Amino acid sequence: DAGVIQSPRHEVTEMGQEVTLRCKPISGHNSLFWYRQTMMRGLELLIYFNNNVPIDDSGMPEDRFSAKMPNASFSTLKIQPSEPRDSAVYFCASSLDSNVNSYEQYFGPGTRLTVT
Amino acid sequence: AQKITQTQPGMFVQEKEAVTLDCTYDTSDPSYGLFWYKQPSSGEMIFLIYQGSYDQQNATEGRYSLNFQKARKSANLVISASQLGDSAMYFCAPLPPGGYNKLIFGAGTRLAVHP
Repeated sequence: DAGVIQSPRHEVTEMGQEVTLRCKPISGHNSLFWYRQTMMRGLELLIYFNNNVPIDDSGMPEDRFSAKMPNASFSTLKIQPSEPRDSAVYFCASSLDSNVNSYEQYFGPGTRLTVT
Repeated sequence: AQKITQTQPGMFVQEKEAVTLDCTYDTSDPSYGLFWYKQPSSGEMIFLIYQGSYDQQNATEGRYSLNFQKARKSANLVISASQLGDSAMYFCAPLPPGGYNKLIFGAGTRLAVHP
Protein backbone atom coordinates (compact mmCIF):
# COMPACT_ATOMS: atom_id res chain seq x y z
CA ASP A 1 0.00 0.00 0.00
CA ALA A 2 1.19 3.49 -0.75
CA GLY A 3 1.94 5.60 2.26
CA VAL A 4 1.33 9.31 2.61
CA ILE A 5 2.53 11.05 -0.51
CA GLN A 6 3.91 14.58 -0.49
CA SER A 7 5.07 16.77 -3.31
CA PRO A 8 7.38 18.35 -4.05
CA ARG A 9 10.10 16.75 -1.94
CA HIS A 10 12.25 19.85 -2.21
CA GLU A 11 11.27 23.41 -3.00
CA VAL A 12 13.52 26.41 -3.32
CA THR A 13 11.85 29.74 -3.88
CA GLU A 14 12.50 33.42 -3.53
CA MET A 15 11.02 35.56 -0.83
CA GLY A 16 7.63 36.89 -1.79
CA GLN A 17 6.69 34.00 -4.02
CA GLU A 18 3.70 31.75 -3.45
CA VAL A 19 4.45 28.19 -2.39
CA THR A 20 2.00 25.28 -2.52
CA LEU A 21 2.72 21.99 -0.82
CA ARG A 22 0.63 18.94 -1.63
CA CYS A 23 -0.37 15.85 0.27
CA LYS A 24 -2.22 12.65 -0.52
CA PRO A 25 -3.19 10.76 2.65
CA ILE A 26 -3.43 7.01 3.00
CA SER A 27 -6.64 5.74 1.46
CA GLY A 28 -9.32 5.24 4.09
CA HIS A 29 -7.77 7.57 6.63
CA ASN A 30 -10.09 10.34 7.70
CA SER A 31 -7.73 12.68 9.53
CA LEU A 32 -4.93 14.71 8.00
CA PHE A 33 -2.29 16.76 9.73
CA TRP A 34 0.23 19.36 8.59
CA TYR A 35 3.41 19.81 10.65
CA ARG A 36 6.43 22.05 10.36
CA GLN A 37 9.86 21.04 11.67
CA THR A 38 12.72 23.44 12.33
CA MET A 39 15.80 23.23 14.49
CA MET A 40 14.63 26.10 16.65
CA ARG A 41 11.00 25.11 17.22
CA GLY A 42 11.02 21.37 16.71
CA LEU A 43 7.97 19.64 15.28
CA GLU A 44 4.89 21.87 15.36
CA LEU A 45 1.34 20.99 14.43
CA LEU A 46 -0.01 23.61 12.05
CA ILE A 47 -3.51 22.37 11.26
CA TYR A 48 -5.50 19.20 11.12
CA PHE A 49 -8.60 18.05 9.30
CA ASN A 50 -11.13 15.39 10.11
CA ASN A 51 -13.40 14.20 7.31
CA ASN A 52 -12.09 17.08 5.18
CA VAL A 53 -13.14 19.68 7.75
CA PRO A 54 -10.53 21.80 9.54
CA ILE A 55 -10.77 20.97 13.24
CA ASP A 56 -7.95 23.04 14.68
CA ASP A 57 -5.86 25.62 12.87
CA SER A 58 -4.47 27.30 15.97
CA GLY A 59 -0.96 26.31 14.98
CA MET A 60 -1.03 28.18 11.69
CA PRO A 61 1.57 30.91 12.21
CA GLU A 62 -0.14 33.76 10.41
CA ASP A 63 -2.46 34.75 7.62
CA ARG A 64 0.17 34.02 5.02
CA PHE A 65 -0.49 30.33 5.64
CA SER A 66 -3.62 28.59 4.44
CA ALA A 67 -4.63 24.96 4.09
CA LYS A 68 -7.40 23.22 2.22
CA MET A 69 -8.73 19.73 1.90
CA PRO A 70 -11.18 19.67 -1.01
CA ASN A 71 -11.64 15.91 -0.82
CA ALA A 72 -10.58 12.87 1.16
CA SER A 73 -7.54 12.20 -0.98
CA PHE A 74 -5.91 15.59 -1.32
CA SER A 75 -4.76 18.53 0.76
CA THR A 76 -2.68 21.62 0.13
CA LEU A 77 -0.73 23.96 2.34
CA LYS A 78 -0.12 27.34 0.78
CA ILE A 79 2.22 30.11 1.86
CA GLN A 80 1.69 33.49 0.22
CA PRO A 81 3.91 35.46 0.29
CA SER A 82 6.77 33.27 1.47
CA GLU A 83 9.51 34.57 3.76
CA PRO A 84 12.97 33.18 4.63
CA ARG A 85 11.76 32.25 8.12
CA ASP A 86 9.31 29.83 6.54
CA SER A 87 12.24 27.61 5.57
CA ALA A 88 11.59 24.26 7.20
CA VAL A 89 10.57 20.69 6.54
CA TYR A 90 6.81 20.39 6.20
CA PHE A 91 5.27 17.03 6.99
CA CYS A 92 1.84 15.75 6.20
CA ALA A 93 0.44 12.85 8.22
CA SER A 94 -2.79 10.89 8.18
CA SER A 95 -4.61 8.62 10.58
CA LEU A 96 -7.90 6.93 11.22
CA ASP A 97 -9.67 8.90 13.92
CA SER A 98 -13.02 9.55 15.41
CA ASN A 99 -14.11 11.66 18.34
CA VAL A 100 -13.77 8.55 20.48
CA ASN A 101 -10.71 6.70 19.27
CA SER A 102 -7.40 7.82 17.89
CA TYR A 103 -4.75 5.83 16.13
CA GLU A 104 -1.17 6.30 15.09
CA GLN A 105 -0.32 8.90 12.52
CA TYR A 106 1.53 7.90 9.38
CA PHE A 107 3.87 10.56 8.11
CA GLY A 108 4.82 11.46 4.60
CA PRO A 109 8.45 11.93 3.61
CA GLY A 110 8.22 15.70 4.05
CA THR A 111 8.84 18.69 1.83
CA ARG A 112 12.03 20.60 2.48
CA LEU A 113 11.28 24.25 1.77
CA THR A 114 14.01 26.83 1.36
CA VAL A 115 13.05 30.48 0.92
CA THR A 116 15.91 32.71 -0.14
CA ALA B 1 -0.33 24.65 27.71
CA GLN B 2 0.71 21.05 27.71
CA LYS B 3 4.40 20.52 28.36
CA ILE B 4 6.39 17.53 27.19
CA THR B 5 9.87 17.01 28.56
CA GLN B 6 12.54 14.85 27.03
CA THR B 7 15.43 15.56 29.34
CA GLN B 8 18.16 13.90 27.30
CA PRO B 9 19.05 15.90 24.20
CA GLY B 10 21.64 13.24 23.30
CA MET B 11 22.34 9.68 24.33
CA PHE B 12 25.10 7.22 23.50
CA VAL B 13 24.83 3.46 23.77
CA GLN B 14 27.00 0.53 22.80
CA GLU B 15 25.63 -1.84 20.22
CA LYS B 16 23.67 -4.75 21.74
CA GLU B 17 23.09 -2.90 25.01
CA ALA B 18 19.75 -1.61 26.23
CA VAL B 19 18.95 2.10 26.47
CA THR B 20 16.14 4.07 28.10
CA LEU B 21 14.88 7.35 26.67
CA ASP B 22 12.95 9.54 29.07
CA CYS B 23 9.66 11.33 28.51
CA THR B 24 7.46 13.14 30.99
CA TYR B 25 4.38 15.19 30.30
CA ASP B 26 2.54 17.78 32.29
CA THR B 27 -1.21 17.32 32.32
CA SER B 28 -3.85 17.01 34.99
CA ASP B 29 -5.86 14.55 32.90
CA PRO B 30 -5.05 10.90 33.63
CA SER B 31 -6.58 9.80 30.35
CA TYR B 32 -3.56 10.62 28.22
CA GLY B 33 -1.97 7.91 26.16
CA LEU B 34 1.41 8.29 24.56
CA PHE B 35 3.14 7.71 21.23
CA TRP B 36 6.82 7.32 20.42
CA TYR B 37 8.20 8.09 16.97
CA LYS B 38 11.65 7.63 15.44
CA GLN B 39 13.23 9.99 12.93
CA PRO B 40 16.40 8.66 11.29
CA SER B 41 18.80 10.94 9.45
CA SER B 42 16.83 10.38 6.25
CA GLY B 43 14.08 12.50 7.82
CA GLU B 44 10.97 10.37 7.80
CA MET B 45 8.90 9.99 10.97
CA ILE B 46 8.31 6.37 11.89
CA PHE B 47 5.70 5.22 14.42
CA LEU B 48 7.23 2.92 17.03
CA ILE B 49 4.85 2.20 19.86
CA TYR B 50 1.71 3.40 21.60
CA GLN B 51 0.60 3.15 25.23
CA GLY B 52 -3.06 3.57 26.06
CA SER B 53 -3.71 5.36 29.30
CA TYR B 54 -5.82 2.54 30.69
CA ASP B 55 -3.77 -0.35 29.40
CA GLN B 56 -3.00 -2.67 32.27
CA GLN B 57 0.39 -3.69 30.98
CA ASN B 58 3.28 -1.75 29.50
CA ALA B 59 3.23 -1.74 25.73
CA THR B 60 5.77 -3.89 23.92
CA GLU B 61 6.64 -3.98 20.22
CA GLY B 62 9.60 -6.14 19.32
CA ARG B 63 12.72 -4.60 20.86
CA TYR B 64 10.74 -1.55 21.99
CA SER B 65 8.90 -1.38 25.27
CA LEU B 66 7.44 1.37 27.39
CA ASN B 67 7.96 1.92 31.08
CA PHE B 68 4.66 3.69 31.69
CA GLN B 69 4.19 5.28 35.09
CA LYS B 70 0.90 7.13 34.98
CA ALA B 71 1.21 8.62 38.46
CA ARG B 72 4.56 10.13 37.54
CA LYS B 73 3.26 11.09 34.08
CA SER B 74 6.19 9.43 32.42
CA ALA B 75 6.47 6.94 29.59
CA ASN B 76 10.07 6.03 28.99
CA LEU B 77 11.05 4.12 25.87
CA VAL B 78 13.31 1.12 26.38
CA ILE B 79 15.21 -0.21 23.39
CA SER B 80 16.75 -3.59 24.03
CA ALA B 81 19.74 -5.02 22.16
CA SER B 82 20.54 -1.74 20.39
CA GLN B 83 21.47 -1.89 16.73
CA LEU B 84 23.40 0.59 14.62
CA GLY B 85 20.18 1.31 12.74
CA ASP B 86 18.61 2.58 15.96
CA SER B 87 20.70 5.74 15.69
CA ALA B 88 18.10 8.45 15.20
CA MET B 89 16.02 11.15 16.88
CA TYR B 90 13.26 9.84 19.10
CA PHE B 91 10.15 11.86 19.90
CA CYS B 92 7.42 11.23 22.42
CA ALA B 93 3.96 12.69 22.00
CA PRO B 94 1.17 12.47 24.58
CA LEU B 95 -2.24 11.72 23.14
CA PRO B 96 -5.12 13.76 24.57
CA PRO B 97 -8.28 11.84 25.42
CA GLY B 98 -11.39 12.06 23.34
CA GLY B 99 -9.99 11.30 19.95
CA TYR B 100 -9.02 13.85 17.31
CA ASN B 101 -5.44 12.86 17.45
CA LYS B 102 -3.80 16.23 18.13
CA LEU B 103 -0.26 15.29 19.02
CA ILE B 104 2.19 17.71 20.60
CA PHE B 105 5.72 16.42 20.20
CA GLY B 106 8.60 16.73 22.64
CA ALA B 107 11.94 18.21 21.61
CA GLY B 108 13.36 14.79 20.97
CA THR B 109 16.38 12.76 22.05
CA ARG B 110 19.19 11.99 19.64
CA LEU B 111 20.44 8.46 20.12
CA ALA B 112 23.78 7.34 18.79
CA VAL B 113 24.57 3.63 18.79
CA HIS B 114 28.27 2.84 18.71
CA PRO B 115 29.75 -0.44 17.43
